[in-house]
Amino acid sequence: NAGVTQTPKFQVLKTGQSMTLQCAQDMNHEYMSWYRQDPGMGLRLIHYSVGAGITDQGEVPNGYNVSRSTTEDFPLRLLSAAPSQTSVYFCASRSLLAGGNTGELFFGEGSRLTVL
Amino acid sequence: KNQVEQSPQSLIILEGKNCTLQCNYTVSPFSNLRWYKQDTGRGPVSLTIMTFSENTKSNGRYTATLDADTKQSSLHITASQLSDSASYICVVSETGGFKTIFGAGTRLFVKA
Repeated sequence: NAGVTQTPKFQVLKTGQSMTLQCAQDMNHEYMSWYRQDPGMGLRLIHYSVGAGITDQGEVPNGYNVSRSTTEDFPLRLLSAAPSQTSVYFCASRSLLAGGNTGELFFGEGSRLTVL
Repeated sequence: KNQVEQSPQSLIILEGKNCTLQCNYTVSPFSNLRWYKQDTGRGPVSLTIMTFSENTKSNGRYTATLDADTKQSSLHITASQLSDSASYICVVSETGGFKTIFGAGTRLFVKA
């Protein structure tokens, strides 16, 4: 049981380049989400999904796209990377069976992105 | 604006000592509060969850308290170990949706 798997762990981009961060979970969780973690700040929600074909914006969605074609996968796309997107990105998932916001979030190991 | 504030920002203690981390929140309507532990270079892992009616919950050497009236929570670590060195993040969730607010965390260093 792998849990939440993120790739790549590290990536360096030049300004204007695009890339996709991959996230997969094997727990059959309905809810998946992407966060960025910056020094001195709490994790901030970028986008989230409550099921295949359903996505919504979080607190800081600009410059990022997501899609959810399957329950397992939730990739995050950077369309045109900017230095402000230098951060550590975490994917997380949780079950919605307990209702609402009560389920534990399971996090991946993180992807450290540097934009030059 | 819903906020979660943690104190102190960082803390250094000697191995074997106890410590208490604080979390104040203004999130409303309140659903639950979790404490997560984040080791360096890893993703956060849940330690405890507390709902409105719960005052205290323990997980081994970790004990969380919640005062829903004053909107304060604490995480007490007993007999600290070197492996307790990590960031501890307070996370508060609203009812009726999917909104979850993360605190900035307390960085704990346990020294031998």
